Amino acid sequence: QVTLRESGPALVKPTQTLTLTCTFSGFSLSTSGMCVSWVRQPPGKALEWLALIDWDDDKYYSTSLKTRLTISKDTSKNQVVLTMTNMDPVDTATYYCARTLAVAGTNYFDYWGQGTLVTVSS
Amino acid sequence: SYVLTQPPSVSVAPGKTARITCGGNNIGSKSVHWYQQKPGQAPVLVIYYDSDRPSGIPERFSGSNSGNTATLTISRVEAGDEADYYCQVWDSSSDLVVFGGGTKLTVL
Repeated sequence: QVTLRESGPALVKPTQTLTLTCTFSGFSLSTSGMCVSWVRQPPGKALEWLALIDWDDDKYYSTSLKTRLTISKDTSKNQVVLTMTNMDPVDTATYYCARTLAVAGTNYFDYWGQGTLVTVSS
Repeated sequence: SYVLTQPPSVSVAPGKTARITCGGNNIGSKSVHWYQQKPGQAPVLVIYYDSDRPSGIPERFSGSNSGNTATLTISRVEAGDEADYYCQVWDSSSDLVVFGGGTKLTVL
């Protein structure tokens, strides 16, 4: 049974760095084809992909946010961590982590965490 | 960068067929995946690889992809299908995940 759970602060101040942790079970991030991604959704708006890390520790980032994002994994702990620097009120959103399968030249999200709402405000 | 275009909204009567489109340049050459998101919930994968259904997704959900348009089709629409639907691809030329802007399906 695959599960993912996001954890991190619910409130951050502008200019601070956000650190989110995705703790997962039911699969190994060392298995070929397995990845974990972060996706966010501002209130009332569309999904926005942020970052992906794969079984080989390759990392991919949204073009518009890549200077602010860092994704990493701890395979032994079954965790993936996302840091986002210089937070701004426009970064207020629900942040999801999702298991991502990389197969046959594509990637898709087959399991999602429940999401965690992060509000950026002073 | 690659862009996916969805209609903001689609309305359909119960029991009828809903078709939600996702437009992109030569999208037929890519694999398209679809997600359903109900209010306050995380997205759920409903179609992958253009037309495959994960286990637990009703056969009423189907997909197709050709040319510049991919389509999610929901047959015999039920009130419980009311949700936002997102298409998604992996753009291998830039190594980026791309989501469409989402379509709100309203069941009349």
